[in-house]
Amino acid sequence: SAVISQKPSRDICQRGTSLTIQCQVDSQVTMMFWYRQQPGQSLTLIATANQGSEATYESGFVIDKFPISRPNLTFSTLTVSNMSPEDSSIYLCSVEGSIPRAYGYTFGSGTRLTVV
Amino acid sequence: AQSVTQLDSQVPVFEEAPVELRCNYSSSVSVYLFWYVQYPNQGLQLLLKYLSGSTLVKGINGFEAEFNKSQTSFHLRKPSVHISDTAEYFCAVSDRPGAQKLVFGQGTRLTINP
Repeated sequence: SAVISQKPSRDICQRGTSLTIQCQVDSQVTMMFWYRQQPGQSLTLIATANQGSEATYESGFVIDKFPISRPNLTFSTLTVSNMSPEDSSIYLCSVEGSIPRAYGYTFGSGTRLTVV
Repeated sequence: AQSVTQLDSQVPVFEEAPVELRCNYSSSVSVYLFWYVQYPNQGLQLLLKYLSGSTLVKGINGFEAEFNKSQTSFHLRKPSVHISDTAEYFCAVSDRPGAQKLVFGQGTRLTINP
């Protein structure tokens, strides 16, 4: 299965600032997914990123707050903009298995964000 | 839209005892099911998945799960747990494998007591 490198692993940020999270995959994948895990909660999909096109956002998430880039088939970034304490969460990127019939979504180790 | 219900938010068990973590999903024509484990301060690791075929799926670390279409369930089991199994477990569902988002349950915190 794919191996994902996600950076930074954690950060403490001031409210009103922005943080960009990077997700690098060791193989080419069609779709990349960005999830949020609020404290003590399950995972919620923020958006799906397809190379060369606009990301598709889930209900409750907007591009101005969570802009996403997907410049190639192995890399994506998620920016958390104009942060507030409510944005304190773990953010995870995920990809589907890049090998045909391997089907299984692989997750990065996550970025633990604290906004103060 | 798919939904997943994990019936127990917390499950405490003693070491070497058997455990079952329950998961029910909303009915769909086709469904693909996954169990993930999240150890403290770590990302998610795939335990096992059901795509098709045998309804009994074996995964890593001695876990297995059984797909029951009539009961729309995918319960996770282990015959004898270890302290190292202490973690959060998430059941997830997709309408089709690949290039499709996962819908997660709320998670079950499994605590193993010595």
